[in-house]
Amino acid sequence: LAKTTQPISMDSYEGQEVNITCSHNNIATNDYITWYQQFPSQGPRFIIQGYKTKVTNEVASLFIPADRKSSTLSLPRVSLSDTAVYYCLVGSKAAGNKLTFGGGTRVLVKP
Amino acid sequence: GAVVSQHPSWVICKSGTSVKIECRSLDFQATTMFWYRQFPKQSLMLMATSNEGSKATYEQGVEKDKFLINHASLTLSTLTVTSAHPEDSSFYICSASGTALSHEQFFGPGTRLTVL
Repeated sequence: LAKTTQPISMDSYEGQEVNITCSHNNIATNDYITWYQQFPSQGPRFIIQGYKTKVTNEVASLFIPADRKSSTLSLPRVSLSDTAVYYCLVGSKAAGNKLTFGGGTRVLVKP
Repeated sequence: GAVVSQHPSWVICKSGTSVKIECRSLDFQATTMFWYRQFPKQSLMLMATSNEGSKATYEQGVEKDKFLINHASLTLSTLTVTSAHPEDSSFYICSASGTALSHEQFFGPGTRLTVL
């Protein structure tokens, strides 16, 4: 499974857009990219998943360049409740969808 | 989305006793369930992968005789921490995925284990 690297922490302010970039240089052809959000003492919550180009849902957008060696999670207009740890993961159905969590990015949204 | 529950949400036990944690997929059939452990301020660490009806596959460094995993049905997996010690105190989280649910893993709310 491809290893992921993302910033340890990021600060932002309410109403701003937060972009978190994750690098996964060793991503394989059939691997997919998933982002999870985790609050303290809770299980991770699925945010978005993609394979290439751009994916958008009601909470976030995921941008994946053509070489797929990185991806960027974009959170529009964050609020205080978006303060959490965000994990970027690379998974493979061939590997049984096993996920290896990296350190994650601790996002702090300030008023 | 699909819902995964865990029971209990927290447990306190004495050193040397065994504790069982249940993970249930409430509205879908989970062909695969995963068990993670998370220490404070750290990331999740995968302990084992469990497929319904077969033996669990443990990650390197995880003692299979200490962390017993049973996945007897498509909606239930259990993790038993045998002869628990204070160093086993942690946050245990399960997740589930099913063939009909693409690649997504659905996580449970976690179980806080404290061993005295």
